[in-house]
Amino acid sequence: DAKTTQPNSMESNEEEPVHLPCNHSTISGTDYIHWYRQLPSQGPEYVIHGLTSNVNNRMASLAIAEDRKSSTLILHRATLRDAAVYYCILSGGYKYIFGTGTRLKVLA
Amino acid sequence: GAVVSQHPSWVICKSGTSVKIECRSLDFQATTMFWYRQFPKQSLMLMATSNEGSKATYEQGVEKDKFLINHASLTLSTLTVTSAHPEDSSFYICSATLQGLDNSPLHFGNGTRLTVT
Repeated sequence: DAKTTQPNSMESNEEEPVHLPCNHSTISGTDYIHWYRQLPSQGPEYVIHGLTSNVNNRMASLAIAEDRKSSTLILHRATLRDAAVYYCILSGGYKYIFGTGTRLKVLA
Repeated sequence: GAVVSQHPSWVICKSGTSVKIECRSLDFQATTMFWYRQFPKQSLMLMATSNEGSKATYEQGVEKDKFLINHASLTLSTLTVTSAHPEDSSFYICSATLQGLDNSPLHFGNGTRLTVT
């Protein structure tokens, strides 16, 4: 199973953009890149996913490197409600394996 | 849309008893459901992949006779923790995909906090 590597934690000021990186150097050609976030004592919430091209939705943007070995989740304006653990995972073979994630702290 | 309901949200049981957790997809058909467990301050660990009408596929190290998974319909999967012990205390989370496709997002339940005394 292809693995992902993320920083353990990051901090951001409220109202500022946040760039959350993810490395996935062993990604296969058919793996999609997914991002989820989890608040304490809740199930994860879908954020965004993509294959090759950059993706935008109402929550965030996903920038995928040309070689697909890394990606960046972009929160355009962080709010206090964005404080969560963010997971970058790859879907392949109908499996979704979670890595350790990045704990995002948003400072008021 | 794409709501997954998990019940109960928390349960306390005595050691040696069994506990059943239900996972329902409310507004879509889920051919594939996944069961995860999560210990405090740790990531989600995939336990098994459940396919409607067939036996679940368990991850290495997960005892299939202890964690019974049934996926009898396209909207319901259950996880039964048999003969629970304190070390089984954890946060159990189910998820489902639309049609089980690789490019389909996972939709998660809100989890079940199991405490075994």
